[in-house]
Amino acid sequence: AQKITQTQPGMFVQEKEAVTLDCTYDTSDPSYGLFWYKQPSSGEMIFLIYQGSYDQQNATEGRYSLNFQKARKSANLVISASQLGDSAMYFCAMRGSGTYKYIFGTGTRLKVLA
Amino acid sequence: SQTIHQWPATLVQPVGSPLSLECTVEGTSNPNLYWYRQAAGRGLQLLFYSVGIGQISSEVPQNLSASRPQDRQFILSSKKLLLSDSGFYLCAWKRNGADSGANVLTFGAGSRLTVL
Repeated sequence: AQKITQTQPGMFVQEKEAVTLDCTYDTSDPSYGLFWYKQPSSGEMIFLIYQGSYDQQNATEGRYSLNFQKARKSANLVISASQLGDSAMYFCAMRGSGTYKYIFGTGTRLKVLA
Repeated sequence: SQTIHQWPATLVQPVGSPLSLECTVEGTSNPNLYWYRQAAGRGLQLLFYSVGIGQISSEVPQNLSASRPQDRQFILSSKKLLLSDSGFYLCAWKRNGADSGANVLTFGAGSRLTVL
């Protein structure tokens, strides 16, 4: 069975500082994809970044980077130079190569302080 | 470009009433379609997914059902709503394909259901 664990229910970060949101996963699939989504208070789910399990380099998208440590089964999201607009819920998700299903963690609520 | 539409955005229904939420995707063909539910302050629970017309996989036994009458249309239904059906319902799609871009799940704006 696949599982995503996000152990930080809430996080605070000062504006312009970097923050790391933790995500660990468990799967028996040899190949899988890892995702991060942002959910503002409006409720929409916004795709941020994707990491394939066989990608050699950590994924980056602008101020977002994914710290992928395969041996530790972790896929932490790093947000650099935090902005007030980054305040939202953040969800880690996974899909194994042998399934159509995407499973999500319970999320981390990030609050950026001015 | 591809877009996903989901409606209604908000609805308030009495216990025991029927439900129909609709989702359509434009600009693509043969997408994989998904229904998720998010209880207040919680994560996303996969309810149904579909890889083709008439092909529905159910993840959670409950009083909800899903149908895919057309290639790009996905409908979530209930004959009799329960209080526990309240929540935020999200439709999503992904493109068929083997490239990395086909991995991304794209969500609709969501439907907020309150059952009284």
